[in-house]
Amino acid sequence: AQKITQTQPGMFVQEKEAVTLDCTYDTSDPSYGLFWYKQPSSGEMIFLIYQGSYDQQNATEGRYSLNFQKARKSANLVISASQLGDSAMYFCAMSSQGGKLIFGQGTELSVKP
Amino acid sequence: GAVVSQHPSRVICKSGTSVKIECRSLDFQATTMFWYRQFPKQSLMLMATSNEGSKATYEQGVEKDKFLINHASLTLSTLTVTSAHPEDSSFYICSAKGDSVDQETQYFGPGTRLLVL
Repeated sequence: AQKITQTQPGMFVQEKEAVTLDCTYDTSDPSYGLFWYKQPSSGEMIFLIYQGSYDQQNATEGRYSLNFQKARKSANLVISASQLGDSAMYFCAMSSQGGKLIFGQGTELSVKP
Repeated sequence: GAVVSQHPSRVICKSGTSVKIECRSLDFQATTMFWYRQFPKQSLMLMATSNEGSKATYEQGVEKDKFLINHASLTLSTLTVTSAHPEDSSFYICSAKGDSVDQETQYFGPGTRLLVL
């Protein structure tokens, strides 16, 4: 069975510093995708970054980078130069058959001024 | 690009009434749409997958007669909560995938908060 695990219910980071949000996964599929979404208090799910299982390089999108370690089955999100607006829930997700997404439990990030 | 809208954003209804939620892809054709449900402080749980022109596929434990899904066109899917009860109060959010945008990524609507009194 496929599973996504986020072990950090909450994280704090000082403004302008970097923070890593952990995500591990389990799947027997040879091909899969890993995603990170941001959910502010308004509720919308904002797509941040995607990593394909066959991608050789770690994905990067602006201040977001995905530390993909296939052997460890981990896909941690790194946010550099944190901003106050980064405070939100962050969900790691994995695509499964039919394109369905399986979500982790989420990590609530709080950026301190 | 890849914008998904949802309407209404918030709805309050009486127990026993039906509520329809619309999900639209505004700038791409959504071959597949997904409906999720999220309770406070919890993760998103997939309810069903709908493909344009075919019946929706429901996840285990989701009552298809209670949560009616229609994907009539490549830009519109609707979720109707029939005979809503207080336990149906939740945040409902849709997502869409399409051939004309990044095929791997699901783009989410802003969600609908349903409160059943």
